[in-house]
Amino acid sequence: DIQMTQSPSSLSASVGDRVTITCRASQSISSYLKWYQQKPGKAPKVLIYAASSLQSGVPSRFSGSGSGTDFTLTISSLQPEDFATYYCQQSYTRRSFGQGTKLEIK
Amino acid sequence: QVQLVESGGGLVKPGGSLRLSCAGSGFTFSDYYMSWIRQAPGKGLECISYISSSSGTIYYADSVKGRFTISRDNAKNSLNLQMNSLRAEDTAVYYCARDYYDSSGPSSDWYFDLWGRGTLVTVSS
Repeated sequence: DIQMTQSPSSLSASVGDRVTITCRASQSISSYLKWYQQKPGKAPKVLIYAASSLQSGVPSRFSGSGSGTDFTLTISSLQPEDFATYYCQQSYTRRSFGQGTKLEIK
Repeated sequence: QVQLVESGGGLVKPGGSLRLSCAGSGFTFSDYYMSWIRQAPGKGLECISYISSSSGTIYYADSVKGRFTISRDNAKNSLNLQMNSLRAEDTAVYYCARDYYDSSGPSSDWYFDLWGRGTLVTVSS
C-alpha cells in the first residue's frame, strides 16, 4: 500500500501569512494527489485535485504543486476561515490519506 | 439537492454487528464509484472500502477485510456497509463519499467530491 506522509503535523500561523504544507508518497503517484480541508465536526472538502487543479469555488489563494512523490499545498495569504486540518490523499493505487496537518492561529 | 445521507450508526458491543446505509439524491447514483471513509475520534481519515458503479470492483482496507461487506442498490440509490465482528478500534465517524473521476482538465484524477455528514459508530461494552 502507498503511504502518505505530511509535514508538519501541526502549524501555527497568523492571518495574512503564506503557508506551505508538504506531502510525500512512499512511491510515485504521478499527479494523482488531492488536498482536502476539514473543519471540526464537518466532512472534508476537496480543495485541489490532480496535484494542482483548483476545485470549483475554492479561493485562488490555495494552490498545489508537485508530481511523483513530493507535493505541496500553499495558502498565499491566510484568512480566518482557513484555520482547519488539511489532508493529502492519493488515488494512484486504491485510496490513502496523509495523517493530516492542523493549522492553528498563532 | 445533491446530497448523501448516512444512517445506521450507534452503540454496539464488541463482536456485534451493524449495518450502515447511505442514501444518494440529486444525481445519477449509478454513474459513480462510492466509498466508505472513517475517522476515529481525534484521528485522521481512512478509506476502508469502495465499490464501482456496477459493483464489479470492490476494495477493502486490510483493517476491515473479512469483517465488513460493501454493497449498493442502484435502483434505490443506496450504498450499504455491513459490519460484523466489530472491535473497539472500529469506533469512528463513518462517511460515505462519491468518488468522482474528472477527465476535463490536462490531468485526470479521482477525488471525493461529495460527502455525507457522517454517522457515529461506537463499539464498547
